[in-house]
Amino acid sequence: EVQLVQSGAEVKKPGESLKISCKGSGYSFANYWIGWVRQMPGKGLEWMGIIYPGDSDTRYSPSFQGQVTISADKSISTAYLQWSSLKASDTAMYYCARRARTGVGGTYYNYMDVWGKGTTVTVSS
Amino acid sequence: DIQMTQSPSSLSASVGDRVTITCRASQSISSYLNWYQHKPGRAPKLLIYAASSLQSGVPSRFSGSGSGTDFTLTISSLQPEDFATYYCQQSYSTPPTFGQGTKVEIK
Repeated sequence: EVQLVQSGAEVKKPGESLKISCKGSGYSFANYWIGWVRQMPGKGLEWMGIIYPGDSDTRYSPSFQGQVTISADKSISTAYLQWSSLKASDTAMYYCARRARTGVGGTYYNYMDVWGKGTTVTVSS
Repeated sequence: DIQMTQSPSSLSASVGDRVTITCRASQSISSYLNWYQHKPGRAPKLLIYAASSLQSGVPSRFSGSGSGTDFTLTISSLQPEDFATYYCQQSYSTPPTFGQGTKVEIK
């Protein structure tokens, strides 16, 4: 079974650092991009960035560039999302998801087909 | 960034109803459009990719249509398990932005 297993809920104070994880299994982890998606309380989904574990090529949404760091260790099939200095506004649910690609009529389309169950991050003094 | 606008933001419907959700892109995105279903406390679930291709395992009551800037997700006969929030997402350019969501509630 293809799955992404995320690390557990975190409660942190403003200014602290944090690294959450997303471990893939059931497929060739290195060969699929892994993205991170934020959902703030009561809000919608926001795409943060994506990494290709095979060579660690990483892309960020301009909204999150410089705010977080995405990394991966293909040897243990795990992707990471980290903060160096958390803010209260980082309180949210964070999902990782696998990006798959399919050809339809000669054109290739990307979509997020497997999702982790999410990691809740609470930042409060 | 490409802006994705869904309508309505919420709707109330009964089991058995036909439900239509619209998504509009701020520029043409061809057929680079995905739909997801999200239930509270659960991971989002891919329903439709490439505007109209049904993801494996998704019931056939879900369908997608459209191209360019205007897209539609249709649930032909709403079932109890379909009450959730639905999001469109464009995959035409980075960042692949989501719509704000449409919450489907029980009437």
